[in-house]
Amino acid sequence: AQSVTQPDIHITVSEGASLELRCNYSYGATPYLFWYVQSPGQGLQLLLKYFSGDTLVQGIKGFEAEFKRSQSSFNLRKPSVHWSDAAEYFCAVGASGGSYIPTFGRGTSLIVHP
Amino acid sequence: NAGVTQTPKFRILKIGQSMTLQCTQDMNHNYMYWYRQDPGMGLKLIYYSVGAGITDKGEVPNGYNVSRSTTEDFPLRLELAAPSQTSVYFCASSAGVYNEQFFGPGTRLTVL
Repeated sequence: AQSVTQPDIHITVSEGASLELRCNYSYGATPYLFWYVQSPGQGLQLLLKYFSGDTLVQGIKGFEAEFKRSQSSFNLRKPSVHWSDAAEYFCAVGASGGSYIPTFGRGTSLIVHP
Repeated sequence: NAGVTQTPKFRILKIGQSMTLQCTQDMNHNYMYWYRQDPGMGLKLIYYSVGAGITDKGEVPNGYNVSRSTTEDFPLRLELAAPSQTSVYFCASSAGVYNEQFFGPGTRLTVL
């Protein structure tokens, strides 16, 4: 069965600093990978996705993520964090193997200090 | 294009009461999902549907029921509310099994 691990429950960064949120997955073939963001009191919004091709994908709000097959990782990055980036971030793997259910990680809460 | 809408936004129930959480999408998506989110626990899938008339259980279906009579609507029914069902509920839809999900704004439910 596929799984997604986000090893960091909380990450604290200063405004203007760079950010990397980790995501590791367990999956037999090339996965469909997603990063979502959830602002306080809101639903989840897609940041970016990877299906195939270029392993570095660009998303909204200046975020990017890199798919590394050898490390089973899909880490999310941003070169300079803004206070408005404070939110919960979820990594997800798309459905596979006859299942209709995507798998979400437990989320990483990003705290931004001024 | 409203995307995924959910009503109500907030609700307080007494133990044993029933209610229906409404979810509607206007993107003609076949796939729809109900999740609950508890603090620090991520998303847990309650039920999902792959098309009108077809529903199936997710990870935590006990105490809930769903129906899917149209492509647009996917209501979630709580028959006998319990304090353990206090949570934030999200509905989502997707064009296909490999596509991203679009989420509604959520319903915050408290059972006292």
